[in-house]
Order: sequence, then structure tokens, then C-alpha cells
Amino acid sequence: GQQVMQIPQYQHVQEGEDFTTYCNSSTTLSNIQWYKQRPGGHPVFLIQLVKSGEVKKQKRLTFQFGEAKKNSSLHITATQTTDVGTYFCATADGLTFGKGTHLIIQP
Amino acid sequence: GAVVSQHPSRVICKSGTSVKIECRSLDFQATTMFWYRQFPKQSLMLMATSNEGSKATYEQGVEKDKFLINHASLTLSTLTVTSAHPEDSSFYICSARGGTAGHYEQYFGPGTRLTVT
Repeated sequence: GQQVMQIPQYQHVQEGEDFTTYCNSSTTLSNIQWYKQRPGGHPVFLIQLVKSGEVKKQKRLTFQFGEAKKNSSLHITATQTTDVGTYFCATADGLTFGKGTHLIIQP
Repeated sequence: GAVVSQHPSRVICKSGTSVKIECRSLDFQATTMFWYRQFPKQSLMLMATSNEGSKATYEQGVEKDKFLINHASLTLSTLTVTSAHPEDSSFYICSARGGTAGHYEQYFGPGTRLTVT
């Protein structure tokens, strides 16, 4: 199946700072999904990107899908303590998850 | 959004016994359900894909005789861990897929934490 690499593995930020996680694939993806998993919880679907160069926003979250459909990013503006958790990208066709980025916020 | 339930949420069993975990899609029909395993602070590892009415497709390295999957209806899939051993202790999460090709959404169950003593 398709493989996705996600970086960074851990990210410490001060509350109010921005945060970005990146997902990269060596092959062209038909689409990509993003999930958030709170500590002790289960993954929750955030969004799916399908089109080349697509950009979608959900409040302070901005999702991008690369022009070549080989990479994607999730950017959070002005992080809040409620943003704590692990963010995973996943390929919908292969259902392969990246290793996730653990977001730790320091007040 | 769609809801997926999983039962039990936690189970402790003795080594050598079998444990059955249920995954139900509550408000939609899921032709495909997935079973994952997750170790602490690690990603989800897909174990198998189950389609309603057919045999599950297991990922490489997953023993199909140990992890029995049944998907008898559009709303229920079960995972049975047979002859469980301490190394099987983990967080097992199911998900159900809804939507159409190219526009799938996946909904996860709350997970089952299995501890084998």
C-alpha cells in the first residue's frame, strides 16, 4: 500500500504560537485525510482533500494538498490548549496512517 | 457525524482465553469496516479490512487464525482475539466507512483496551 511520512513526530509550542505538521508521500495520492486524536481518545475525522492544490479552512486550521498530490500540511494558527493531541494524515485509498505529530502546548 | 460504537471499552482476560470485540455503525450502513491496533503514542496499524458478507483481508504479518474477523451484517463487525497472550495487550480500534468512492469518510469507534494477564 501507499506510504506516508509525517513530520515532525513531536512539536512543543507556546500557547498562541502557530503549528504545522507535514505529510509526504513518494507516490501520487488520490486523496488525503486528516484526523485528530486527543490523549486517551480515538481518532476523529477532520477533513479530506481531493483536488490538486486544494486549500480548506476550519476556523484556525488550514489544510493544504500539494499541486503534485504528494504532500499535505495542516497549519493551526494561534494554538490553544484544546488543540493538544496527535494529528494524523491518512490515505483514504490505502487507509495508511502517518505516524502522527504529537502537539504539546505549554501555557 | 456518523457514530460507531465499540464494545467492550476495556477488557482484562487471562492468557490463553479468547476475547470478542464488537464494532457497530449506529446510523449508517458500513459495507467496509477496518480494524486497527495502536500501541501507546504510536500510530494506528491497520490489521484487516472486512467487507460485509465476505472474508476479511488481513495485512501482512497479521495472523488471521489468531485475529478472527466476522462482518455478518452492514452494521456489525467482530474481532475475536483467540488464545490471547500478554503481547496481544493493546488498544484495538475499529472504523466504519461510509460515503461513495472518492468521497469516503471514516468514522472510528472509541476503541477497546485489551489487557492480557
